[in-house]
Amino acid sequence: GDSVTQTEGQVALSEEDFLTIHCNYSASGYPALFWYVQYPGEGPQFLFRASRDKEKGSSRGFEATYNKEATSFHLQKASVQESDSAVYYCALSERNYAQGLTFGLGTRVSVFP
Amino acid sequence: EAAVTQSPRNKVTVTGGNVTLSCRQTNSHNYMYWYRQDTGHGLRLIHYSYGAGNLQIGDVPDGYKATRTTQEDFFLLLELASPSQTSLYFCASSVDRDNNYAEQFFGPGTRLTVL
Repeated sequence: GDSVTQTEGQVALSEEDFLTIHCNYSASGYPALFWYVQYPGEGPQFLFRASRDKEKGSSRGFEATYNKEATSFHLQKASVQESDSAVYYCALSERNYAQGLTFGLGTRVSVFP
Repeated sequence: EAAVTQSPRNKVTVTGGNVTLSCRQTNSHNYMYWYRQDTGHGLRLIHYSYGAGNLQIGDVPDGYKATRTTQEDFFLLLELASPSQTSLYFCASSVDRDNNYAEQFFGPGTRLTVL
């Protein structure tokens, strides 16, 4: 079945550091890829998506580029702030577009002033 | 922004108990979903629906039933709760958009403890 692997379980950074979270996927077809962010006590929030090879998704200073050859969709942000502290989830949808998501295990990002 | 509400926010029951989790969305989305979130497993899809009276099976459906009574309301039923169903449950909704992968809007979650 489909799967999403996030390499980093936890990341600790200082403000203005560069953030990278690695996301690789396994799917039999051509999935759409997503990033979601979850703050404490809340449900996940959509960050952005990409649905074809080499497409870049971006929002709030975060970005990721769909790499079909490498089966990757790595999240990056050039200069993090304390308010970026959250759990970040990579997800895919291979089924018809509204039929549910397969999530990675999440990466907890802590940014210290 | 889509509004998805869940009730109760916290629930404690005993093994073998009967539990109903409720979800309501007020933005006329046709798709609704139930996920569970567990440490070490992330979020996993239990059931989903694309309209009133419709139910589709997700990835981890065992031990759960669901019912979509209206476009707004989606319920998750645990008829014989077990400790393995202790989890944080999220409801989500999305709109059907042709040729696009629609984002899902999540509720605040229900924390269920089965003793």
